[in-house]
Amino acid sequence: EPEVTQTPSHQVTQMGQEVILRCVPISNHLYFYWYRQILGQKVEFLVSFYNNEISEKSEIFDDQFSVERPDGSNFTLKIRSTKLEDSAMYFCASSGRGIGYGYTFGSGTRLTVV
Amino acid sequence: RKEVEQDPGPFNVPEGATVAFNCTYSNSASQSFFWYRQDCRKEPKLLMSVYSSGNEDGRFTAQLNRASQYISLLIRDSKLSDSATYLCVVNTNSGGYQKVTFGIGTKLQVIP
Repeated sequence: EPEVTQTPSHQVTQMGQEVILRCVPISNHLYFYWYRQILGQKVEFLVSFYNNEISEKSEIFDDQFSVERPDGSNFTLKIRSTKLEDSAMYFCASSGRGIGYGYTFGSGTRLTVV
Repeated sequence: RKEVEQDPGPFNVPEGATVAFNCTYSNSASQSFFWYRQDCRKEPKLLMSVYSSGNEDGRFTAQLNRASQYISLLIRDSKLSDSATYLCVVNTNSGGYQKVTFGIGTKLQVIP
């Protein structure tokens, strides 16, 4: 079964450092997303990406965040200067048909900011 | 009122029982609805979409009530492997802006 791959599975970083979370979506999918889940809280939408540009973003996705699709397979989330409150599980997701059809999540990257 | 509201549970049910979860949503313009399942410290996995006419997938039945703005998930003949958190997800298109909102999830524990 096709899957969304995320690396690393766990990243520990110091406050103020930049981190890049990597995702390889399902190969024939066109829509890509980042979500986060703070421990014990609900899954929160960050950003959606289609046709090489951001299509939607939430209020969480401020200037500290950016996304890129540097080549045909990777989809990255960069946090420029991490804060303690950025500690969360970050999930990448992809969909073949867009936001209204459900999507496949990767297994997540647990980011711990110390 | 929260955008998507679920009873966090936990619901503790014996094997073989039937259990139902409800989820309410606040925006009447919401268009598509889903149930996801999330195991502890794992990613959400799509369980089923929810259609206006109601839909069934094996032991799972999902229903949508637009008038009352809620969706439901019914699990029949519960298995131990059904133990998980069930996430209600609502997609709303408002002025060309797509917004996907997750509920906090309802925790189900099926006990032998």
